[in-house]
Amino acid sequence: GAGVSQSPRYKVTKRGQDVALRCDPISGHVSLYWYRQALGQGPEFLTYFNYEAQQDKSGLPNDRFSAERPEGSISTLTIQRTEQRDSAMYRCASSSLLAGPRYNEQFFGPGTRLTVL
Amino acid sequence: DAKTTQPTSMDCAEGRAANLPCNHSTISGNEYVYWYRQIHSQGPQYIIHGLKNNETNEMASLIITEDRKSSTLILPHATLRDTAVYYCIVRVALETSGSRLTFGEGTQLTVNP
Repeated sequence: GAGVSQSPRYKVTKRGQDVALRCDPISGHVSLYWYRQALGQGPEFLTYFNYEAQQDKSGLPNDRFSAERPEGSISTLTIQRTEQRDSAMYRCASSSLLAGPRYNEQFFGPGTRLTVL
Repeated sequence: DAKTTQPTSMDCAEGRAANLPCNHSTISGNEYVYWYRQIHSQGPQYIIHGLKNNETNEMASLIITEDRKSSTLILPHATLRDTAVYYCIVRVALETSGSRLTFGEGTQLTVNP
C-alpha cells in the first residue's frame, strides 16, 4: 500500500513569503506528526494530531508556524513570513491506533526540503 | 522522556554482528526503548522496541539490561545497506496512538566491505 506522501518535495522561497507544506498520511492512520530536521541532526518534533484534533503543538518554534488537519486525514504545515533559519527538511509521519507489538510505530514520509533565500 | 546517550559513530565489517549501545540511566518504569534508523536522506524507519525483556524481530535484536539503564541493538549479520544513523529513543508507549519521538544525535554506523 501507499506510504506517507509529502508535497512539494522541494520548495525554494524568498524570505518573507508564506509556504504551505502538505502531508498525506497512510490511509486509516489516526495520528499525524510533523518534525523538522536540520542537516546532520536528528528530527525535531513540531506538533501532532489525533484525528483532526491537535494534541501537542509545544514544538512549534514560534507563532509563524501553524498546522491543521481539518478532516482528520491530510495535514498542512504553514510557515508565515519565512526566514532563512526556517530552511530545513520538514518530515511528516503517521501511526495507527491498532494495538499489537508494533503499535505506536511511526511511518515517515520522504520530507519536504525547504530553502529560504 | 528520558535522555539517551549513544556513541557518535561505529564501524562494522560486512557479515559481522553490529552491536550498538545506548545508555538511558534515567528511564522510568513505564517508558519503552525504541530504535529507529535513518538511511542517508530517507525518513527514519522503525526497527524494534522493548520494555524489559529482550526482543527479536526480522531486522534486529534488542537486549535490555536487568536494571533497564542501558540497552544494545544487535544487527546479527550487517550488510552494506545497514549503513545508517541509528537512534535510541525512550518514551511512554501509550495504549492509544500518539506520542512524540525525541531524537538525539544517534550513532552513525558504517558497514565496511
